[in-house]
Amino acid sequence: GQQLNQSPQSMFIQEGEDVSMNCTSSSIFNTWLWYKQDPGEGPVLLIALYKAGELTSNGRLTAQFGITRKDSFLNISASIPSDVGIYFCAGLNTNAGKSTFGDGTTLTVKP
Amino acid sequence: NAGVTQTPKFQVLKTGQSMTLQCAQDMNHNSMYWYRQDPGMGLRLIYYSASEGTTDKGEVPNGYNVSRLNKREFSLRLESAAPSQTSVYFCASSENRFYGYTFGSGTRLTVV
Repeated sequence: GQQLNQSPQSMFIQEGEDVSMNCTSSSIFNTWLWYKQDPGEGPVLLIALYKAGELTSNGRLTAQFGITRKDSFLNISASIPSDVGIYFCAGLNTNAGKSTFGDGTTLTVKP
Repeated sequence: NAGVTQTPKFQVLKTGQSMTLQCAQDMNHNSMYWYRQDPGMGLRLIYYSASEGTTDKGEVPNGYNVSRLNKREFSLRLESAAPSQTSVYFCASSENRFYGYTFGSGTRLTVV
């Protein structure tokens, strides 16, 4: 089946630093999604990307849909302590009818 | 809005016991999903229901059954629980297969 490689697996950064994480696949996706999971909660959708090359922002978060349709990137600018959590990418093929998730990037922000 | 509601939040089972995890959404979504989350393994799809009246297997369906009771409710049943089924279970829903998901807050299941 389709697999996503999400990296890095974990990050330890200082408050105020910028963060970058990415997801790559051997398969093409029609939609890329980024979620954040706070401890003890379910993932929450942050950004959805529907078009190759699309760049979308949500506050301090910016995500891009790669032009090959096989990758996506998420950047967080000026990190704050509440950015702590697990970030998941997901690729969606409308034909498949379901998303494939990466294994997540665990972000720790030191005050 | 409640969104996606899962019950129970916590459960401890003995090996061989059965139980049903309940999930309900109030967003009039067509598609619903069950995932399990284990440390270091991300989210793995157990079963999904693209629309009312249909269900399909995901990556890890063995040992589970599902029922799409109506448009709102999608339950997951463990017929004979095993320690390997100790996990956090998430239910999710989406408007349709083209959109992202809304997740519930999870059921933490321990099988001893």
